[in-house]
Amino acid sequence: AQSVTQLDSQVPVFEEAPVELRCNYSSSVSVYLFWYVQYPNQGLQLLLKYLSGSTLVKGINGFEAEFNKSQTSFHLRKPSVHISDTAEYFCAILYGNKLVFGAGTILRVKS
Amino acid sequence: SQTIHQWPATLVQPVGSPLSLECTVEGTSNPNLYWYRQAAGRGLQLLFYSVGIGQISSEVPQNLSASRPQDRQFILSSKKLLLSDSGFYLCAWTARGSSYNEQFFGPGTRLTVL
Repeated sequence: AQSVTQLDSQVPVFEEAPVELRCNYSSSVSVYLFWYVQYPNQGLQLLLKYLSGSTLVKGINGFEAEFNKSQTSFHLRKPSVHISDTAEYFCAILYGNKLVFGAGTILRVKS
Repeated sequence: SQTIHQWPATLVQPVGSPLSLECTVEGTSNPNLYWYRQAAGRGLQLLFYSVGIGQISSEVPQNLSASRPQDRQFILSSKKLLLSDSGFYLCAWTARGSSYNEQFFGPGTRLTVL
C-alpha cells in the first residue's frame, strides 16, 4: 500500500529565506506524487506534480520539488518565501483512483 | 472550464441533528467524486468516493453516508450528528479515465457540532 509521511508539522521561516518541506513516501509500484497548498478556510490547490520524466518539477508560485527514488522522497522547496506563502502544504501519492495525503505541514512566514 | 461548488460554506448544528452537505461539479461529465474530512490539526481523511451514479465506496466506518443521485452531484449525510463529526469537509473531483487522477477541490464546508 502507498503511504506518505510529512516529517514536519510546522515550519517557521523568515520572509525571503529559503524553505524546504519534507515528504517521504512508501510505494511498491509506479509513483505519482503531488503537492497541494491550502490557505486558511479554503480548498486545496495543486502546486505541482510528478508523473514521470525529469525528477525536478517546477510548480506555481515559485515552488519546485525533486523526486528522489533512492531516498523515496519528494521534498518541496522555494528559494525565497513571501508572507503570502503562509499556508498548509500537503504531499500526496496516487493509489489506484485515490489520493493518499500526508498529515500536512504548516508553513509560517514571519516578517 | 470546470468548477466545483459546495454548500453551505459554514454550518453549526446541535448534536443529534441531521446533516446534508452538497457538492456539484460543472463543466465535465462522468467525474470521479470524493468526500474528505479535515479535523483540527489533522490531515485529510478520505471518507467516500464514487465512480458513477449510485456507486459509493466507503473508506472508514463512521456516522456518515454519501449518495450520488446525479452524475455531477455528491451528497454527504448523517441522521444524527456527533461532536466528533466537526471538521472541514472537502469535496473533490477527477476526470474519469485520467492517467494520473489530478484532483480538483471545492471551497469546503466548515461544520461545527455543538
